[in-house]
Amino acid sequence: DAKTTQPNSMESNEEEPVHLPCNHSTISGTDYIHWYRQLPSQGPEYVIHGLTSNVNNRMASLAIAEDRKSSTLILHRATLRDAAVYYCILRAFINTSGTYKYIFGTGTRLKVLA
Amino acid sequence: DVKVTQSSRYLVKRTGEKVFLECVQDMDHENMFWYRQDPGLGLRLIYFSYDVKMKEKGDIPEGYSVSREKKERFSLILESASTNQTSMYLCASSYSYILNTEAFFGQGTRLTVV
Repeated sequence: DAKTTQPNSMESNEEEPVHLPCNHSTISGTDYIHWYRQLPSQGPEYVIHGLTSNVNNRMASLAIAEDRKSSTLILHRATLRDAAVYYCILRAFINTSGTYKYIFGTGTRLKVLA
Repeated sequence: DVKVTQSSRYLVKRTGEKVFLECVQDMDHENMFWYRQDPGLGLRLIYFSYDVKMKEKGDIPEGYSVSREKKERFSLILESASTNQTSMYLCASSYSYILNTEAFFGQGTRLTVV
């Protein structure tokens, strides 16, 4: 299985942009790159995903390297409510069942300073 | 809103007991997943199911089994609970045959085996 590698923790000042990196050098051509975040005492929640092109939504932007071996989640203006563990995940195709599974890394704990 | 509901938030069981963790989703998703989450290890996939009565082992299936008799319900079974199975357990569901889709997670069950 392909895997993802992220820094254990990062800090950001409130109202400033945050760039959360992820390495996935063994990604397969059919794997989607997903980002989720987990607030304290909650299950992970979806943030954004992409395959090859950069993506924007109301929560964040996702920048994917041309060779797809790395990606960066961008929070444009961090708020205190963005303090969470951010997971870079591969949605990987499974040949035996023709379906998909989500492969998690260990995540980056983002601390936002007021 | 999609909802994934886990039957208990907290559970305390004795070593050797048979333990059932239940998960129900209301979105008619084909895929359902069980993960465990431990400090420093992120989320690790135990088992997943891509259809009723269909299952596949994840990365750490030893000591666990699963049951999916109805599409909306996916049960994780600890045949004989041990202290090293003390953990946070997270259930998730997703569509199987739609490429651009995310997983939805429950709130988690914190299981303590004493």
